[in-house]
Amino acid sequence: KAGVTQTPRYLIKTRGQQVTLSCSPISGHRSVSWYQQTPGQGLQFLFEYFSETQRNKGNFPGRFSGRQFSNSRSEMNVSTLELGDSALYLCASRLEGGPTDTQYFGPGTRLTVL
Amino acid sequence: SQQGEEDPQALSIQEGENATMNCSYKTSINNLQWYRQNSGRGLVHLILIRSNEREKHSGRLRVTLDTSKKSSSLLITASRAADTASYFCATDAGGGSNYKLTFGKGTLLTVNP
Repeated sequence: KAGVTQTPRYLIKTRGQQVTLSCSPISGHRSVSWYQQTPGQGLQFLFEYFSETQRNKGNFPGRFSGRQFSNSRSEMNVSTLELGDSALYLCASRLEGGPTDTQYFGPGTRLTVL
Repeated sequence: SQQGEEDPQALSIQEGENATMNCSYKTSINNLQWYRQNSGRGLVHLILIRSNEREKHSGRLRVTLDTSKKSSSLLITASRAADTASYFCATDAGGGSNYKLTFGKGTLLTVNP
């Protein structure tokens, strides 16, 4: 099976702009989660989607949003970008109800805000 | 907030030596997982250990879990230069709608050839 894919791999934006990142989970996985990784804060949970519904949300401002489509693909959006949003954004998928609770991660999208 | 804390923050060893990394966490967990990350890339899943397990092996990896001390260790035996990476432990406290991973800050392992 193909792994988790994320597009684009790199993005450069300026403050105030918005950005949309895309994630395709492993085939058959319906749970998709997003994480932000920065040198200062480390890896932090953003939100999780399952069957097109957000089930869990981390402690991030409302500028961070997401959605999931019927084919389980997910997008996350960051509006009114700030310098501090520069980070590696990682998507992960999980087979809920499977034999393990392993989350499999994609390669990430490196966002740079200038 | 960070659930886990890895120790040491950085570790430098020679090829062929064993590398041990430790992780401590604060709350009750369902599972604990170890991931590897090469130079700012995605996370690669290494091994998962459930809260009712004490030890698990996978190839050159050995993971232990002590829930009474809220700690885990990852041992990489006969290390190789290709093992150079950051290693993270991650815990989850429940499944279903409460599922999320909480990560430590990681251990940077350098294996010198």
